Formats: sequence, structure tokens, C-alpha cells
Amino acid sequence: GAGVSQSPSNKVTEKGKDVELRCDPISGHTALYWYRQSLGQGLEFLIYFQGNSAPDKSGLPSDRFSAERTGGSVSTLTIQRTQQEDSAVYLCASSPTLGNQPQHFGDGTRLSIL
Amino acid sequence: DAKTTQPNSMESNEEEPVHLPCNHSTISGTDYIHWYRQLPSQGPEYVIHGLTSNVNNRMASLAIAEDRKSSTLILHRATLRDAAVYYCIPRSGYALNFGKGTSLLVTP
Repeated sequence: GAGVSQSPSNKVTEKGKDVELRCDPISGHTALYWYRQSLGQGLEFLIYFQGNSAPDKSGLPSDRFSAERTGGSVSTLTIQRTQQEDSAVYLCASSPTLGNQPQHFGDGTRLSIL
Repeated sequence: DAKTTQPNSMESNEEEPVHLPCNHSTISGTDYIHWYRQLPSQGPEYVIHGLTSNVNNRMASLAIAEDRKSSTLILHRATLRDAAVYYCIPRSGYALNFGKGTSLLVTP
């Protein structure tokens, strides 16, 4: 069946612009997770959703980052006033529910800030 | 989260078994041990997880030490497609805390 889909696969933008990254989880998965992977920091957790709710936003790197999920399905990660240190691969994962279940990852959005 | 120690890299010949070790001496009693792998230019992929008993699935086997302070991921016959970074993750919450992992090179 269809896996986790992320778009765009690549995004190049100028410093100071806003960007929006999209994640389509596996159908029926109520839990959704965002991570990012950069050369300096490895793979780090950003935020998770259970349904439309994100109980813990403390993993977001700064207040320029926000995420939402509507209808319990698609999620968007928005970065305002992008900086060069935001350059990374942004990965989305989903699982049937929260808890100890395997997470299924998309192939990410590679974001480059010029 | 428990701290993990994995070799930076390992090498194997194709069609031979591979044993990937992980030390997690500070693991708590309720943390499951998860293994993921990441092939080049792809997102991480779930491999296997377990709590206390050894586990097998179609991809690999997981051997967990009796004191749970270490575990070993076993690939029974390595293929070129198994070349990836392998992450051992003692999971205590909803998020996965990826360390540096082991980069596995498989040679023909």
C-alpha cells in the first residue's frame, strides 16, 4: 500500500523566506512525527501529533517553526524567516497509534537555504 | 533516554551473517529496544524491536542480553541492499532518539 508521502522532495529558497513542508501519512495512522536530519546534528525529533493535537512542542528549534495537522491526516511544517542553519532533510513518520509501534518514514524534504 | 554505544562502522562480505552490537547499559526496565536502518537518500526504515526475549522477523533477528544492557542485530545473509546506517534505539517515549549508528559496508 501507499507509504508516507512528503512534498516537495527538494526545496531551495532564499534566506528570510517562509517555507511550508507537507506530509501525507499512511491512511488510518493517527500518530504523526516530524524529524530533521542535518550534517551537524544527526537525526533529531521535532514534534509529534496524536490526531490533530500536538501535546509537546518543546522539540521545535525556535518559534519560527510551527506545525499543524488538520482532519487527522495531512500535516504541514512551516518555517518562517528561514535561516541558513535551517538547511536539512525534514522527515515525517507515522504509526497506527502512539506507543511502542514502529514508525514508518517518508523519504523527506531536502531544504536548502541560500 | 538511555545512552547507546555502537561501532562507527562495520564491514561484511555478501551472503555472510552480520552481527551488529549495541551497548545500552542505562536502559530502563520498560524500554523496548528498537532497530532502524537508513539506506542512502532514504528515510529510516524499521527493522525489529524487542523487550527481553530474542525476536525474529523476515528482515533480521534481535538477540537481547539477559541483563538487557546490550543487544545484537543479526542479519543472517548480508546482501548489497543491506548496506546502510543501523541505529539501535532504546525507546522510552513517543519519539525515537537516533544516535550516530553503525555504517555497514557490504562487499561482493
